[in-house]
Amino acid sequence: KNEVEQSPQNLTAQEGEFITINCSYSVGISALHWLQQHPGGGIVSLFMLSSGKKKHGRLIATINIQEKHSSLHITASHPRDSAVYICAAEPNSGGSNYKLTFGKGTLLTVNP
Amino acid sequence: NAGVMQNPRHLVRRRGQEARLRCSPMKGHSHVYWYRQLPEEGLKFMVYLQKENIIDESGMPKERFSAEFPKEGPSILRIQQVVRGDSAAYFCASSPERVGYTFGSGTRLTVV
Repeated sequence: KNEVEQSPQNLTAQEGEFITINCSYSVGISALHWLQQHPGGGIVSLFMLSSGKKKHGRLIATINIQEKHSSLHITASHPRDSAVYICAAEPNSGGSNYKLTFGKGTLLTVNP
Repeated sequence: NAGVMQNPRHLVRRRGQEARLRCSPMKGHSHVYWYRQLPEEGLKFMVYLQKENIIDESGMPKERFSAEFPKEGPSILRIQQVVRGDSAAYFCASSPERVGYTFGSGTRLTVV
C-alpha cells in the first residue's frame, strides 16, 4: 500500500462545478504539499500546509492532522484547471524531510 | 527570477549512450533535489545535493546513475549506458533552505 493515496484517480467535471480531490497518508508528516502538473509540462507548487486551511484564488486546501487527510478544492472550475494534481507528504523523520512521498496523482478534466 | 531551469526538455538516447540532464536552481537557492517520474507511477526521490556536496543519494540506482552540483554551474544528473527502463520524466527542485520547494519543468528522457 502506497504511503500516500489519492482519490479519485480520474475526475471529469463540467465548467463551473465544485471539485474535491482527496489525499490520505500513513506517515508522520511535517507538511503536506499540493502540486499541479499540466500534460507534458512542469510541476507547480500550489500549497504547503501543516495545519488548517489555505486559500489562493479559487483553490482551497485543508488538512486534518488527526485523521491524516487533506483535500484540495477548486471552486467554479474552468477548463484551464485541467491537469494532474499531486499530493506529497513531507516526512517528519529526523532531518529527512526533503524525501517527499508522492501520491500517483488525480487527472482532472474540466469540460466547457 | 527565471525559476528552476531544466534542460533539455526532451532527450532521446539510444541504448548504451549517456544522458546528461541539467538543472539550474533559482537564484539564491543552494539546495537541489532530483526526482524521477516513471510512466504510470508517482514521483520518487533520487538525490539531494548542496553546492559541491551530495547530502543524500539513497534514492539513486546503485549503478550507472550519478549526480553533482559543482561550485559553478548547474546540477547535473548523469545516466551512463542508458536502458529502456530509464525512460522517464526527471524533475529537479530547489529551495533556499530545506523547505519551500520550487520545481522545474522536467526533462523527458526517451531511450530507444
